[in-house]
Amino acid sequence: QKEVEQDPGPLSVPEGAIVSLNCTYSNSAFQYFMWYRQYSRKGPELLMYTYSSGNKEDGRFTAQVDKSSKYISLFIRDSQPSDSATYLCATQITGNQFYFGTGTSLTVIP
Amino acid sequence: DGGITQSPKYLFRKEGQNVTLSCEQNLNHDAMYWYRQDPGQGLRLIYYSQIVNDFQKGDIAEGYSVSREKKESFPLTVTSAQKNPTAFYLCASGRGQGDYEQYFGPGTRLTVT
Repeated sequence: QKEVEQDPGPLSVPEGAIVSLNCTYSNSAFQYFMWYRQYSRKGPELLMYTYSSGNKEDGRFTAQVDKSSKYISLFIRDSQPSDSATYLCATQITGNQFYFGTGTSLTVIP
Repeated sequence: DGGITQSPKYLFRKEGQNVTLSCEQNLNHDAMYWYRQDPGQGLRLIYYSQIVNDFQKGDIAEGYSVSREKKESFPLTVTSAQKNPTAFYLCASGRGQGDYEQYFGPGTRLTVT
């Protein structure tokens, strides 16, 4: 079983839609949960991170972690064409290596 | 202007040749990482280093080698022993132990024919 599972999509939505991206993880020892955005042929950039269960909001983005079900989500409100990218979830046990999901490809259609 | 640089952006090699990918950072980070990204497989860790002159194998280290002689530099050599070297290679750095952030370089696309 992979440490992190992510639906690869692709996901295509109209501009202004609410987008939901999801991952599950296997190890309850994971402590940090991150979301990266990767544009085509570029390196990933950190979007958000969370440490505990609950929600964390940053502008149009909300990261959600449910440790009881080992489920992490990223919500994008009022999606824009510039949000079109691949979104990677990642987890980490403090001081150890990172584990990444396979990425979900998102296209926002104007 | 701080960041991570990887060069070259595209690299072409013949099968059987070793090739070295460059990664440099001026963020004063202790930790550096090399990942390989293939379609449908996400990022897989090749090697990482938490401090100068020390490095550890990741999940897919076979056929690769690294060195960490300077804090700023973490070059990756793809040897002829790597069976499927064609991939997108990403270097990252971070503050190290206990820190969740990784900063990625722009990547090198290696094609071996």
